Amino acid sequence: GAVVSQHPSWVICKSGTSVKIECRSLDFQATTMFWYRQFPKQSLMLMATSNEGSKATYEQGVEKDKFLINHASLTLSTLTVTSAHPEDSSFYICSATGRGVAQPQHFGDGTRLSIL
Amino acid sequence: AQKITQTQPGMFVQEKEAVTLDCTYDTSDQSYGLFWYKQPSSGEMIFLIYQGSYDEQNATEGRYSLNFQKARKSANLVISASQLGDSAMYFCAMRNPGNQGGKLIFGQGTELSVKP
Repeated sequence: GAVVSQHPSWVICKSGTSVKIECRSLDFQATTMFWYRQFPKQSLMLMATSNEGSKATYEQGVEKDKFLINHASLTLSTLTVTSAHPEDSSFYICSATGRGVAQPQHFGDGTRLSIL
Repeated sequence: AQKITQTQPGMFVQEKEAVTLDCTYDTSDQSYGLFWYKQPSSGEMIFLIYQGSYDEQNATEGRYSLNFQKARKSANLVISASQLGDSAMYFCAMRNPGNQGGKLIFGQGTELSVKP
């Protein structure tokens, strides 16, 4: 099946640091990538939709300046958490998909972010 | 409004028995896709099974089958012959063509525990 690689898996850093998370589709060209945030025992919360070559579309309540998304190619999207604070600690997971309602989203393994 | 509802926060099943995880959905679209994902404690999201709104037969993938009742707007996941490795969170999701970029709408999830 399709493979999506997400790095890093774990990040522990000090408050005020900016953290970049990469999401790559390894064996297909993803027309759209999505970024989610997930709290323990809860569902995935969509943060933004990322299309190659265009600005990301953010969900209501998500700070665009805090969570910078860049989708430079059909295989790579990055999420940068700028000036991270302890409340940004969470599990972040990306997904990639092709066109069509029948296309499943293929997920990366997620990134556990801990801000001290 | 488009919505996915999973009413079972937690489920227990004895090893080797079958279990049904409930999912109901709400949409005014005629064309949509329904997906089930498994999320083990390690965090990755594993695609299990897909059902299209126009599919006349229930989808099956190995031990997974989807009990699709369109008139009732339900898409329950049936896992046969449960294994200890099936213990995980399970999410039902819907993709609609009108949703920007084909984003998935997730249910709240059901935590399945398989007992030996």
